Amino acid sequence: EAQVTQNPRYLITVTGKKLTVTCSQNMNHEYMSWYRQDPGLGLRQIYYSMNVEVTDKGDVPEGYKVSRKEKRNFPLILESPSPNQTSLYFCASRRNVDYGYTFGSGTRLTVV
Amino acid sequence: DQQVKQNSPSLSVQEGRISILNCDYTNSMFDYFLWYKKYPAEGPTFLISISSIKDKNEDGRFTVFLNKSAKHLSLHIVPSQPGDSAVYFCAALVVISSGSARQLTFGSGTQLTVLP
Repeated sequence: EAQVTQNPRYLITVTGKKLTVTCSQNMNHEYMSWYRQDPGLGLRQIYYSMNVEVTDKGDVPEGYKVSRKEKRNFPLILESPSPNQTSLYFCASRRNVDYGYTFGSGTRLTVV
Repeated sequence: DQQVKQNSPSLSVQEGRISILNCDYTNSMFDYFLWYKKYPAEGPTFLISISSIKDKNEDGRFTVFLNKSAKHLSLHIVPSQPGDSAVYFCAALVVISSGSARQLTFGSGTQLTVLP
């Protein structure tokens, strides 16, 4: 089944403790992206990657890092999480020439 | 500054009636628009899209209308069903000359509730 898999689904952590949210897709998509969803703000892009070793900032990149060492994986790294990063996070992928994304099921992160 | 706006956070309609969800945009460079539906505890799923060269696209019970001069699009669901209850996101992008797309910009979403 074609899908985007995120882990974990739920995570509660403390301020300053580094964490990684993994994302993997099995569709051989070139383009991958991370979004966060907050009430009243919709989905805002954090980082995106158009292919292996090619990443770029989205609209809200502060406090996040990403890497794209392999085509299928695009982990989101929070080096020093803060409470304002409490949010619902979605990973998504598509082919570069396509317009619509396939989204993962989301990761609910709480930073206390 | 939000380039894609959904001004109604929520909408309730009776089963069998029409649901109309609205979306406005400010960036005249947008040339492709999509609607996504999101159920709780799931990721958004693609619903329907429209290119800026069209003013209407229909897929079963779902129709999207685009008014470029007003920078406005709407999603019509007829007839509405209880299973349509979800958050609906409008999204837009710019298609660059190579045929690939710039990143998707989303609106804030509208919670649709279809009452039985």
